[in-house]
Amino acid sequence: AQSVTQPDIHITVSEGASLELRCNYSYGATPYLFWYVQSPGQGLQLLLKYFSGDTLVQGIKGFEAEFKRSQSSFNLRKPSVHWSDAAEYFCAVGTVNTDKLIFGTGTRLQVFP
Amino acid sequence: IAGITQAPTSQILAAGRRMTLRCTQDMRHNAMYWYRQDLGLGLRLIHYSNTAGTTGKGEVPDGYSVSRANTDDFPLTLASAVPSQTSVYFCASSDSPGGGTTDDTEAFFGQGTRLTVV
Repeated sequence: AQSVTQPDIHITVSEGASLELRCNYSYGATPYLFWYVQSPGQGLQLLLKYFSGDTLVQGIKGFEAEFKRSQSSFNLRKPSVHWSDAAEYFCAVGTVNTDKLIFGTGTRLQVFP
Repeated sequence: IAGITQAPTSQILAAGRRMTLRCTQDMRHNAMYWYRQDLGLGLRLIHYSNTAGTTGKGEVPDGYSVSRANTDDFPLTLASAVPSQTSVYFCASSDSPGGGTTDDTEAFFGQGTRLTVV
């Protein structure tokens, strides 16, 4: 069965600092990987996704993520964080075979000025 | 405006009562999903549907049922609500199963239903 692990429950960074949010997945075949962001009291918005091809994917709001098959990881990065990036971030894995979209437990990002 | 509509936005429900959460999408997406979001547990998949007429169980299906009579609607029913079903419920849809597995598709989410069972 597919699963997703986000090891960091809560991360705090200063505005302008770089950011990396970790995501590890478990699935026997090549997964489809997603990062979503949820602002307080809102639904989820897709930041970026990986299906195939280039392992470094660019998303909205200046985010990028790199798929590393050898490490079963899909970490999210941003070179310079803005205060408006404070939110909860979810990594998810989807597959064609199982038809499910499974989420991790999320990482809450706090940004200090 | 195209998207997903959930109703109600919030509800307080007495334990033992029956409740249906509504979800409608106008994007003609094939796949739809129901999640519950709980603090520290992220989003957990309750049920999903790949296409009208078919449904499947997710990670936490017990106590919930769904139906998919047509493409647009995917209601979630709690037959006899219990306090542990207090949560925020999100409906989502995607053009293809597995969250949207082509370059031009993704899963879209509703704004959520906050349900409190007392």
